[in-house]
Amino acid sequence: DGGITQSPKYLFRKEGQNVTLSCEQNLNHDAMYWYRQDPGQGLRLIYYSQIVNDFQKGDIAEGYSVSREKKESFPLTVTSAQKNPTAFYLCASSGTGGAPGELFFGEGSRLTVL
Amino acid sequence: KNQVEQSPQSLIILEGKNCTLQCNYTVSPFSNLRWYKQDTGRGPVSLTIMTFSENTKSNGRYTATLDADTKQSSLHITASQLSDSASYICVVRPTGGSTLGRLYFGRGTQLTVWP
Repeated sequence: DGGITQSPKYLFRKEGQNVTLSCEQNLNHDAMYWYRQDPGQGLRLIYYSQIVNDFQKGDIAEGYSVSREKKESFPLTVTSAQKNPTAFYLCASSGTGGAPGELFFGEGSRLTVL
Repeated sequence: KNQVEQSPQSLIILEGKNCTLQCNYTVSPFSNLRWYKQDTGRGPVSLTIMTFSENTKSNGRYTATLDADTKQSSLHITASQLSDSASYICVVRPTGGSTLGRLYFGRGTQLTVWP
């Protein structure tokens, strides 16, 4: 079945370490996104990508990095420069067909910094 | 400032009862408004979408309404079930310019259905 796969589901990191969250989609969508979700807050955009080899900063890009070498993949690296990385991270994609602008989300990755 | 405000923040109802969640927005002009359901620890899933010209949209026991004049939307859940326990998020997409990365998310209403 088509969908978005995020891994790992849970991740623990020590302070000062970089970690990479994986996001893969087989929906043939051009656009992909990374959001951060904290308790009591709305989703906040970290990075988004409209096409391969292109991506744009969102509202809270500091301390994060991404790459888009393949259409299907949009990994997110949480660097040691991110001061408060403990959060729930959601990857999403959207296409040009079907209902306009609908985001399809992965199941999320929960990162905890020890 | 473009914003999306949802109320109540949390809600507890008994199984079988109806409830209505509210979304007020200041995003203007807007392309569409969606309601998403997010189960705990999962990714959000789209329930309904409405453009500015639509007043109501149903998806099973979920009915969304939109008043573009007052910039208000509501999500009505009929005959609630335990599986309706989730966070419901209102999301507004503006029009104009490059809106690919620009969506406005509400903070969600946490609904708990008790047996």
